[in-house]
Amino acid sequence: NAGVTQTPKFQVLKTGQSMTLQCAQDMNHEYMSWYRQDPGMGLRLIHYSVGAGITDQGEVPNGYNVSRSTTEDFPLRLLSAAPSQTSVYFCASSESFPNSPLHFGNGTRLTVT
Amino acid sequence: KNQVEQSPQSLIILEGKNCTLQCNYTVSPFSNLRWYKQDTGRGPVSLTIMTFSENTKSNGRYTATLDADTKQSSLHITASQLSDSASYICVVSKRGTYKYIFGTGTRLKVLA
Repeated sequence: NAGVTQTPKFQVLKTGQSMTLQCAQDMNHEYMSWYRQDPGMGLRLIHYSVGAGITDQGEVPNGYNVSRSTTEDFPLRLLSAAPSQTSVYFCASSESFPNSPLHFGNGTRLTVT
Repeated sequence: KNQVEQSPQSLIILEGKNCTLQCNYTVSPFSNLRWYKQDTGRGPVSLTIMTFSENTKSNGRYTATLDADTKQSSLHITASQLSDSASYICVVSKRGTYKYIFGTGTRLKVLA
């Protein structure tokens, strides 16, 4: 049972480039979410989804897009990378909201130069 | 503003000793409170989840307490081990939303 898988583990982008961070879970979880973790700050919610075809914005959605075409996958797209998006990104899923535990992937470390 | 504040920011203890980490929150209305352990370079892993009606929850050597009246929680680690060295994050969910609010964590280092 792989749990939550994030790819890539590391990525370096130049300002203005776009890319997609992949997230897949094999637990048939309905709730999936993306967070960024910056030094000295708690994890901040970027976007979340409560099921296939349903997405909504979190606390810091600007510069990011998501889609949820299947239960398993929840990719995060950076439209035009900026140095302020340098961060560690975590994907998480849970069976339901709010009383099931969140299962996190091991993160993608993104550097934008 | 809904906030979750943790103390101390960092803590160093000797192996075998106990310690207690604190979490104060202002999130309202409250749904549940969780504690997560995050090892360096890894994603957080759930330790405990407590709802409004629960005031204590244990997971092995980890015991979390919750006082919903004062909006305070603590995580007590008993007989610490080197593997307990990690960041411990308090997370609160707000009733009526699909969002979690994360504290900045307490960084624990256990020395031999």
